[in-house]
Amino acid sequence: AQKITQTQPGMFVQEKEAVTLDCTYDTSDPSYGLFWYKQPSSGEMIFLIYQGSYDQQNATEGRYSLNFQKARKSANLVISASQLGDSAMYFCAMREGYSGNTPLVFGKGTRLSVIA
Amino acid sequence: DTAVSQTPKYLVTQMGNDKSIKCEQNLGHDTMYWYKQDSKKFLKIMFSYNNKELIINETVPNRFSPKSPDKAHLNLHINSLELGDSAVYFCASSQVMRDDSPLHFGNGTRLTVT
Repeated sequence: AQKITQTQPGMFVQEKEAVTLDCTYDTSDPSYGLFWYKQPSSGEMIFLIYQGSYDQQNATEGRYSLNFQKARKSANLVISASQLGDSAMYFCAMREGYSGNTPLVFGKGTRLSVIA
Repeated sequence: DTAVSQTPKYLVTQMGNDKSIKCEQNLGHDTMYWYKQDSKKFLKIMFSYNNKELIINETVPNRFSPKSPDKAHLNLHINSLELGDSAVYFCASSQVMRDDSPLHFGNGTRLTVT
């Protein structure tokens, strides 16, 4: 069974609009972390934001915020005021357990295209 | 001041050859990884090393052999390359004592087997 599901293969958004990228996860471990990465066409993997399973508040980093709904096992990424440079692949990932040496399991990604 | 560096960036070779990819991190992290990204952009863990010790070895053919001479380096050697090995290979590192430690990725090595 897939641990991370990203149901939107591709998304379009108008410049300056907000966009939500969906991510649902599956785990029975009470301790886990959720990560979002951006991969532009140049290929590098850029870490965006982190949400821990015990965090009481939704994570925010600049224009990125995470809509964390623990009961629904969803961790959607919200990008506000989209810019052309936001066009990229976005990956949701999860680490199970409380150790930093557990690898991340990635979803299949969502390709976001920002339109001028 | 590159954090995780991989070489080479591109690797084009013929079937049956043996090749290596090198990875180094200067972040002082304890754990290093190799991920494979296929043509559909799916990222899959291959190996994980903590302080030179192999922790995770996913179902990867024996032709792939990681080597960690010290905790700052994790190299990947591939024997008898096959067409299906064509992919982008990413090295990454993280801090073991921090559960919120993201993976820091290298820029990837695009391997093309002809």
